[in-house]
Amino acid sequence: DVKVTQSSRYLVKRTGEKVFLECVQDMDHENMFWYRQDPGLGLRLIYFSYDVKMKEKGDIPEGYSVSREKKERFSLILESASTNQTSMYLCASSFLPFGDRGGYTFGSGTRLTVV
Amino acid sequence: DAKTTQPNSMESNEEEPVHLPCNHSTISGTDYIHWYRQLPSQGPEYVIHGLTSNVNNRMASLAIAEDRKSSTLILHRATLRDAAVYYCILNSNSGYALNFGKGTSLLVTP
Repeated sequence: DVKVTQSSRYLVKRTGEKVFLECVQDMDHENMFWYRQDPGLGLRLIYFSYDVKMKEKGDIPEGYSVSREKKERFSLILESASTNQTSMYLCASSFLPFGDRGGYTFGSGTRLTVV
Repeated sequence: DAKTTQPNSMESNEEEPVHLPCNHSTISGTDYIHWYRQLPSQGPEYVIHGLTSNVNNRMASLAIAEDRKSSTLILHRATLRDAAVYYCILNSNSGYALNFGKGTSLLVTP
């Protein structure tokens, strides 16, 4: 019954590596989002996309980029991983607009450690 | 989006009802009230949402004040599995992204 799938549950990468986090949804949602969650800071929005090939910066886009070539897939890219990007990364999707069409569906998260 | 205020933490006994409050005094007429919860080591999950009227679903009930400046998420019989962080969020129908605050950490004791 999994509807938003993140490619990895745990990931360890080295500083300077290019890192790809993949997210796939099967609900035909227009919106897709990437958040990161750190203790004491809550969930912070990195990027979101409301259509194929469209992207919008969230609150903390620095050091990240995204790609949405197909409606069901939204990728987060860390161009050159740094230790301060060690975090839990959460992907979500929703209908657009979603005010009255339910809310987000989240994936299980990817815990990324950069060493 | 307008801001919400929730208590940092609450505690409940198992099998008792739980009322989780949320204040949103600057809510606009088009803002929907959304509730999510996050169990330990999991992504948040949608619980319920509403605009003006009270709402019920299999997970919970949402009671919205007449002036819409506050709302309450009601868990009718708390179980140990309900221990989680609960987020109250506002979003307009034209909004794209939700801003999650710190939420309320609910502890359920046997």
